[in-house]
Amino acid sequence: DAGVIQSPRHEVTEMGQEVTLRCKPISGHNSLFWYRQTMMRGLELLIYFNNNVPIDDSGMPEDRFSAKMPNASFSTLKIQPSEPRDSAVYFCATKRTSGVAGELFFGEGSRLTVL
Amino acid sequence: SQQGEEDPQALSIQEGENATMNCSYKTSINNLQWYRQNSGRGLVHLILIRSNEREKHSGRLRVTLDTSKKSSSLLITASRAADTASYFCATVGGSYNTDKLIFGTGTRLQVFP
Repeated sequence: DAGVIQSPRHEVTEMGQEVTLRCKPISGHNSLFWYRQTMMRGLELLIYFNNNVPIDDSGMPEDRFSAKMPNASFSTLKIQPSEPRDSAVYFCATKRTSGVAGELFFGEGSRLTVL
Repeated sequence: SQQGEEDPQALSIQEGENATMNCSYKTSINNLQWYRQNSGRGLVHLILIRSNEREKHSGRLRVTLDTSKKSSSLLITASRAADTASYFCATVGGSYNTDKLIFGTGTRLQVFP
């Protein structure tokens, strides 16, 4: 199994630019999560989907952030416009079955630097 | 706010010693999980303990859970240099929500050969 695949692994952009992060979940996993990790705030849950439907987006910092899951094999996290404080590592994680306790499988993360 | 707080924030030990990390959380839980993160990598699941369990083992890992004190501990026995990583506890957001996993602040473990 290929695991959770994230792209890009590294992105450096300038303030005001649009950033799109991508995630391909493990095949057959029903839940998908976007987390952000910084030294100051640790790991923050931004949003999660069950069966492609957004369930809880209360962690999305502001309207500049949006996430979509158009189908079971693809999700995006978009920041528009980006700001220096958005610099962080963004992780996508998936779980086999929604509504049942279980482990999360993480991608390797997308390290974003906004200058 | 984060659900779990780990203690200590950092821990340095010699190979062969045991490492103990503690996690405290604030609300009732369905289950508690421990994850490991190597530098520059994604998190990897180590072990899950349910709210009705008190202790669980997996290889050199031993996890305990005390729901009355809202705390858990992770013990790594006979540590190795390869155990150097950050360790996080994670809990679901409430008793009945099994999906929304909230992570603690983490413990950075350094094992010297």
